[in-house]
Amino acid sequence: GQSLEQPSEVTAVEGAIVQINCTYQTSGFYGLSWYQQHDGGAPTFLSYNGLDGLEETGRFSSFLSRSDSYGYLLLQELQMKDSASYFCAATSGQAGTALIFGKGTTLSVSS
Amino acid sequence: KAGVTQTPRYLIKTRGQQVTLSCSPISGHRSVSWYQQTPGQGLQFLFEYFSETQRNKGNFPGRFSGRQFSNSRSEMNVSTLELGDSALYLCASRHRTSGGKHANTGELFFGEGSRLTVL
Repeated sequence: GQSLEQPSEVTAVEGAIVQINCTYQTSGFYGLSWYQQHDGGAPTFLSYNGLDGLEETGRFSSFLSRSDSYGYLLLQELQMKDSASYFCAATSGQAGTALIFGKGTTLSVSS
Repeated sequence: KAGVTQTPRYLIKTRGQQVTLSCSPISGHRSVSWYQQTPGQGLQFLFEYFSETQRNKGNFPGRFSGRQFSNSRSEMNVSTLELGDSALYLCASRHRTSGGKHANTGELFFGEGSRLTVL
């Protein structure tokens, strides 16, 4: 089957750096995306890795290693507003149309 | 431009009933996908439609169905509701292309969802 594994919870303090790991097992893998969802809100797109390596977008970076079926999201200079759920999602299937999501990691940032 | 719009936002049904949820994608987006979100299972892929055709389907029973209209608006229907169908149903759209840098980048634009409670 297709699955993505990520930790269920992570806690950190303001200003710290946190890494959320994601391992995947999917067929027809295209790339790995990351989404953020605040309580009661819609998931919003953070980043995408189609190739191995690091993608940086401001305080957030994402990494992919296809050989290891592994990726991570790195959040730097954490702020209280970063408290949310973070989902990794694999784009797979013919023509890369389906997104399979992990169950999400709840990040709690304290002061 | 307007985001993805889902209606209704909240609804309560009883077991055995059926429900239809609606989704209007971002203007110009031709791909619409549906997800079920529950606390224990995260976001689970239901199906994706592109140009009025179902392109992918997740592992859900036949009680879950959908369709897409020529204006890209989509509906999903759940028949014979069960207690376990209580969930947030999210619709997402994207500008699916056949190539280019952002083709299939996984960037979906989600609506706020329709929260279904089955009693």
